[in-house]
Amino acid sequence: DAGVIQSPRHEVTEMGQEVTLRCKPISGHNSLFWYRQTMMRGLELLIYFNNNVPIDDSGMPEDRFSAKMPNASFSTLKIQPSEPRDSAVYFCASSSGTAPGQFFGPGTRLTVL
Amino acid sequence: AQSVTQLGSHVSVSEGALVLLRCNYSSSVPPYLFWYVQYPNQGLQLLLKYTTGATLVKGINGFEAEFKKSETSFHLTKPSAHMSDAAEYFCAVSEWGGGNKLTFGTGTQLKVEL
Repeated sequence: DAGVIQSPRHEVTEMGQEVTLRCKPISGHNSLFWYRQTMMRGLELLIYFNNNVPIDDSGMPEDRFSAKMPNASFSTLKIQPSEPRDSAVYFCASSSGTAPGQFFGPGTRLTVL
Repeated sequence: AQSVTQLGSHVSVSEGALVLLRCNYSSSVPPYLFWYVQYPNQGLQLLLKYTTGATLVKGINGFEAEFKKSETSFHLTKPSAHMSDAAEYFCAVSEWGGGNKLTFGTGTQLKVEL
């Protein structure tokens, strides 16, 4: 079975540009999580969805960040406008309502110049 | 509120030596506990988990962990370290019914030396 799929794997952009990260969760999973990982701050939960509905977005750093889950098989994390301090690895993870634990994607390494 | 404390941000062992990574948790309800491993430039991979039942849990790559309620601990061990075990290890806790939201520790970087 395919795991969590994220695209792109690497993104280099210039400050002020819009960035869109994409995630396809494992089929049948009903919860989806977006994380950010940096050396300074470690692993941070940004937002999570349950049955496509945002449940907790308290980790979203500011209004420049937004996330959507239009259906059970797709989610996006958008940064507009991007800033150099947004440079990080962004992970998507999904989980099932029938078993504890999350499954992580390979991540998107974002560099904002 | 839940929390996880991983003692030692960096641990170094010799190849063939015992690996012991420490994790203590705080939870107001019976917890579900997890260990994840992250190899360089990769995502987090589930090593093992404790939900209910047997308190000694075996995972992949020869790792195991024991849930000790009285000590609120879930330490990760491996009898003999291999060079390929060098990675960052994260302990996490969740409450069942909480949408599977995990609270992670800050991670322990394991270095394996010849």
